[in-house]
Amino acid sequence: ELKVEQNPLFLSMQEGKNYTIYCNYSTTSDRLYWYRQDPGKSLESLFVLLSNGAVKQEGRLMASLDTKARLSTLHITAAVHDLSATYFCAFRREGGSEKLVFGKGMKLTVNP
Amino acid sequence: DAGVIQSPRHEVTEMGQEVTLRCKPISGHDYLFWYRQTMMRGLELLIYFNNNVPIDDSGMPEDRFSAKMPNASFSTLKIQPSEPRDSAVYFCASTTGEMGTSYEQYFGPGTRLTVT
Repeated sequence: ELKVEQNPLFLSMQEGKNYTIYCNYSTTSDRLYWYRQDPGKSLESLFVLLSNGAVKQEGRLMASLDTKARLSTLHITAAVHDLSATYFCAFRREGGSEKLVFGKGMKLTVNP
Repeated sequence: DAGVIQSPRHEVTEMGQEVTLRCKPISGHDYLFWYRQTMMRGLELLIYFNNNVPIDDSGMPEDRFSAKMPNASFSTLKIQPSEPRDSAVYFCASTTGEMGTSYEQYFGPGTRLTVT
């Protein structure tokens, strides 16, 4: 079964704090994606990770990929209120179709 | 580029009526995806097309749902007859399979469907 588990699903944190979000996927993958969704809005692409050990950073967010462990992490550094959103990870099964399997999403609330 | 365009943005209809959702992908993209998002089931892929041909429709809930892509710049998702459980946000996304790309999917603004 193709599935993605995100942990945690809800997170409330204070501004200035750091935190790591985890995304486990069920089978070998050659592409891992992170998306952001604001309430009532569409999904916005944040990162695409294509190889083992890949690390990408944008502002206060850093994503990494460990294909052996089938794990991706999204690290938040010195959170600010503007990061409040729902974060989804998604993967494509290696050698499979272009279907992406999405996690349930992690709702992040950053409090002043 | 204008991005992925979807219409209508909101649709309210009565049970039993036909609903047609429309999508215009980003110019040059050869993949188009239809997703449905609900609180209970999250984000689900319904169907996707490559070069206007349906490739994977395993996520289409039942025969009441149908999708077409008559040309590279237009796709429709039709629900007939609609039921209250079809209420959801429907997203269209597109991407390109060109060499060297990451197949990053770009999502449209979505259509919020309410079936009463």
